[in-house]
Amino acid sequence: QKEVEQNSGPLSVPEGAIASLNCTYSDRGSQSFFWYRQYSGKSPELIMSIYSNGDKEDGRFTAQLNKASQYVSLLIRDSQPSDSATYLCAVNMKEYGNKLVFGAGTILRVKS
Amino acid sequence: DAGITQSPRHKVTETGTPVTLRCHQTENHRYMYWYRQDPGHGLRLIHYSYGVKDTDKGEVSDGYSVSRSKTEDFLLTLESATSSQTSVYFCAISRDLYYEQYFGPGTRLTVT
Repeated sequence: QKEVEQNSGPLSVPEGAIASLNCTYSDRGSQSFFWYRQYSGKSPELIMSIYSNGDKEDGRFTAQLNKASQYVSLLIRDSQPSDSATYLCAVNMKEYGNKLVFGAGTILRVKS
Repeated sequence: DAGITQSPRHKVTETGTPVTLRCHQTENHRYMYWYRQDPGHGLRLIHYSYGVKDTDKGEVSDGYSVSRSKTEDFLLTLESATSSQTSVYFCAISRDLYYEQYFGPGTRLTVT
């Protein structure tokens, strides 16, 4: 059973705070992990990719990967109202022919 | 949208009619994908292509067919549209299975 699990939210944080989004996956053989941001009525936009254990930082975004525990997280520092969107976790699953499996997404609301 | 266009962007059609959606890329990526996105189900893979005339099924392929006669174009056909195929359809591209996917702007299809 291929599964990528996310808390649907909404996750509400005040402006300027750190938003923490989490994702767990079922396939231990997964190799590639991605975070997408999707505004209402728009297409998913890639914001982070991570392939190895540890942290990867890009501007206000940090992706964290722990393959042993099978989770990947996204931290957004200094959250802005413009960060309000749905965040999709996606994992290339070996048991699914290495195709991308998406979580249902977490709704983030940043309050000003 | 990383050089990806979809046409039409909106379409309303009647049950039983054939419908073709087009995805066009200018990135020369090998892989192209068709997804549908529905509330409560997230993004689900319909079909994908790994080269000209090379296609394979995704998890929700019933009622859909695809064709890729040129690297830049990937067509999705609903042979006989049903109301259950009312959805938002996204095309995506990637260099390879393990790499990032980039999404087109989407097509909103309504089957009445």
